[in-house]
Order: sequence, then structure tokens, then C-alpha cells
Amino acid sequence: GESVGLHLPTLSVQEGDNSIINCAYSNSASDYFIWYKQESGKGPQFIIDIRSNMDKRQGQRVTVLLNKTVKHLSLQIAATQPGDSAVYFCAERSGAQKLVFGQGTRLTINP
Amino acid sequence: GAVVSQHPSRVICKSGTSVKIECRSLDFQATTMFWYRQFPKKSLMLMATSNEGSKATYEQGVEKDKFLINHASLTLSTLTVTSAHPEDSSFYICSARKAGGLYNEQFFGPGTRLTVL
Repeated sequence: GESVGLHLPTLSVQEGDNSIINCAYSNSASDYFIWYKQESGKGPQFIIDIRSNMDKRQGQRVTVLLNKTVKHLSLQIAATQPGDSAVYFCAERSGAQKLVFGQGTRLTINP
Repeated sequence: GAVVSQHPSRVICKSGTSVKIECRSLDFQATTMFWYRQFPKKSLMLMATSNEGSKATYEQGVEKDKFLINHASLTLSTLTVTSAHPEDSSFYICSARKAGGLYNEQFFGPGTRLTVL
């Protein structure tokens, strides 16, 4: 069945370093992918999205890479800051279908 | 823009009572709203999808008589947990899909923490 998973459940990085969070998906029909950030006790916050006709998209300090060949999605955060500490979820969708969420990766920032 | 609110943000109730949670899209119209449940340290689990003016579509294993959903307008959906029990304690999150959005963008509310004693 459909599944979206993450390679690492936790990630710890030094403040100022770059962070890379990975996600694998299995539905080859998925054409839209989103990364969300969720802080403790809050709802998911949209970070960046990408459609399947692209392989890279950049935002402010964040970059999403999509590799459809191996069904892999990654989120890169440049110059990680304490405020980036959160759980990050990838999600995928096929057409107008429902979002399917990954398990989440907790990102912690070391001072 | 694209703000989704939930009310209340936190509720504590006694076992057997019913609790209503409201989800509003504040600055856009939402043809479709979604209700999720999230357990500690877990991902979001979709409970149901509701379209304005029609009955909600529930995911497998979600009791529709237990979790009543009403989507009365393009900006408001409500989730009522009927006869709540301690196992219903959870973090409930709604999401609204923007009508006419380019990529059917979906925006999330801040969540409601339900604790049933």
C-alpha cells in the first residue's frame, strides 16, 4: 500500500550547520510533495512544496530535492538555528487525493 | 493569508460527555476540510474528509457515530466527540484545502488538545 517513511527518526545538528532530512515514498503516482514543520503542541506549518515535474525547489534557507527514480525526497535547511528545532514531516499526494504523512523526524539543535 | 483556527485549543472533560471542536478558515474559502488525530510522538492520522454541504467521508476504523463532523459552510467545520472516554484523549488537528488553489494547498489549524478524565 501507500507509505511514506523517513530514514532517521531523530537528527541532531550543531547550530549553524546545514541539516538534511530524508524521506522515502512508495507511491509512484504521487505528484505533489510537501514538507511540514511541527513544533510541540502546535499544528503542522507549511515549509515548502514541490511538484513531480521538478527535482529541486528553493525557499528561504530551505531546499527540497525530489528524486523520482528512487522515490526519495529531502529537505535541506541551511545554517540551522535554534528555532528550527521541531518535528519535520514529509507528505505526498496523488492528484486531489488525501495527503499521506511520513513518520516524522525530530530535529534538535546543539548550541 | 491562509489562516486556519481551531477552538478550543485545549479542553478537559469528564468521561461520558460530548465535546465540540470548531475549525475555521479565516481568510479563505475551503471546499474541503480534513480532521486528523495525533498521538504523542506519532504522525498525523487522517480521520475524515468533509466537503461543504455533504456528509463526511470517514477513514477505515474511525467510528462516524463517535466522531460527528459537520461542514456547514465554506469556512467552518466542526468535530464532535460524543460520549468521550479516556482513550479519546488526543491532539486533534483540522486542515482546510483552499478552494481554487493552484495546487490544492492545504493549511493546518493549531490543534486542540483533548483530555478526557
